[in-house]
Amino acid sequence: SQQGEEDPQALSIQEGENATMNCSYKTSINNLQWYRQNSGRGLVHLILIRSNEREKHSGRLRVTLDTSKKSSSLLITASRAADTASYFCATTRSSGSARQLTFGSGTQLTVLP
Amino acid sequence: DAGVTQSPTHLIKTRGQQVTLRCSPISGHKSVSWYQQVLGQGPQFIFQYYEKEERGRGNFPDRFSARQFPNYSSELNVNALLLGDSALYLCASSLYQGIYNSPLHFGNGTRLTVT
Repeated sequence: SQQGEEDPQALSIQEGENATMNCSYKTSINNLQWYRQNSGRGLVHLILIRSNEREKHSGRLRVTLDTSKKSSSLLITASRAADTASYFCATTRSSGSARQLTFGSGTQLTVLP
Repeated sequence: DAGVTQSPTHLIKTRGQQVTLRCSPISGHKSVSWYQQVLGQGPQFIFQYYEKEERGRGNFPDRFSARQFPNYSSELNVNALLLGDSALYLCASSLYQGIYNSPLHFGNGTRLTVT
């Protein structure tokens, strides 16, 4: 079963605009990660935020985490056509062995040139 | 350095048949995980292997099995294929057994179609 749900399911923006995707999850987590997947390809790790962190930046990416609301957001600033992809959040549970990621259902981002 | 490599890239099988998918992790990575991604959904965890031992199993039937070899490569086997097994099968490797602070490195997957 999917741990989280991304919102929106699909997002279409113009090049240069910012894109914000949200993720909600159900259980207590150790960390939350965001991955990108180009059509039919493997997933590429973007950023990891630990449960004791509230915000993290990497280049044009900004991730926030609110453990009280069990939610996270991914902001991509100054988007480019090459950012067109599906974006998934994935969590590692805080209980038990941290040997698996539980993925959300993804947001399909389309950046129009 | 080469990334995670998977073979074959595409596969078409008939219901009831058996299939073997292969994965080579990044050099130095001892942990290999398998995920199934049905069209339109996020990946779902199938197995994790570390140092040739199964360390985690997702909610998949016994028709799914895997193994890891001394060189840390891995195979995923699926018996008695069903139409619902059609999916992209992703292999991922990581340095450590636990992934608390270690991202997974994914291959490009094997697209399995069951007819």
